[in-house]
Amino acid sequence: EIVLTQSPATLSLSPGERATLSCRASQSVSSYLAWYQQKPGQAPRLLIYDASNRATGIPARFSGSGSGTDFTLTISSLEPEDFAVYYCQQRSNWPPLFGQGTRLEIK
Amino acid sequence: EVQLVQSGAEVKKPGESLKISCKGSGYSFTSYWIGWVRQMPGKGLEWMGIIYPGDSDTRYSPSFQGQVTISADKSISTAYLQWSSLKASDTAMYYCARPVDTAMVGYAFDIWGQGTMVTVSS
Repeated sequence: EIVLTQSPATLSLSPGERATLSCRASQSVSSYLAWYQQKPGQAPRLLIYDASNRATGIPARFSGSGSGTDFTLTISSLEPEDFAVYYCQQRSNWPPLFGQGTRLEIK
Repeated sequence: EVQLVQSGAEVKKPGESLKISCKGSGYSFTSYWIGWVRQMPGKGLEWMGIIYPGDSDTRYSPSFQGQVTISADKSISTAYLQWSSLKASDTAMYYCARPVDTAMVGYAFDIWGQGTMVTVSS
């Protein structure tokens, strides 16, 4: 199975700053990578699928890039509501597992 | 409105059986895969398995194969996750979820249930 490694484990930034989150796959997943956001006590929310496609209703400050084994989720200017845990997921190989998550916290 | 509504929280003893549900509405239930995701307290998301309600094609993650059973009743637009003998380590929040596209098999879940908390304790 493909292992997704997210880094950093925790990212401390201030509102208005740019956030860059990484997801690295143990082998190529082509462009079949999704990103989710989860806030405490809530179900996850799909942000990006197939590496760069924003899901419905997701603000333009969220963008995804990458292919193969290295992927990035960028939040161009952090809003207070963006502080949460972020997960990546791949669908290239079975099963379509999640990464372990990156916690984005307020500095 | 497209939504998935899950059954309520459960408290069970080790060895007991359990079946939780996830009811879909606002879309063609038989056309989309439904997946189940586990989240243990304070931990990350774990992909468990999926079912296609149209023909009950079911697939499991190796980590969960044989540990749970996923099923669906398309006549009432409901998917299920069940255990025959619960363990304390099954204590977790369980989410059902639907992918963004009918072709997305167990991936890119854009519709999520509210979650069902299962607590297993003696």
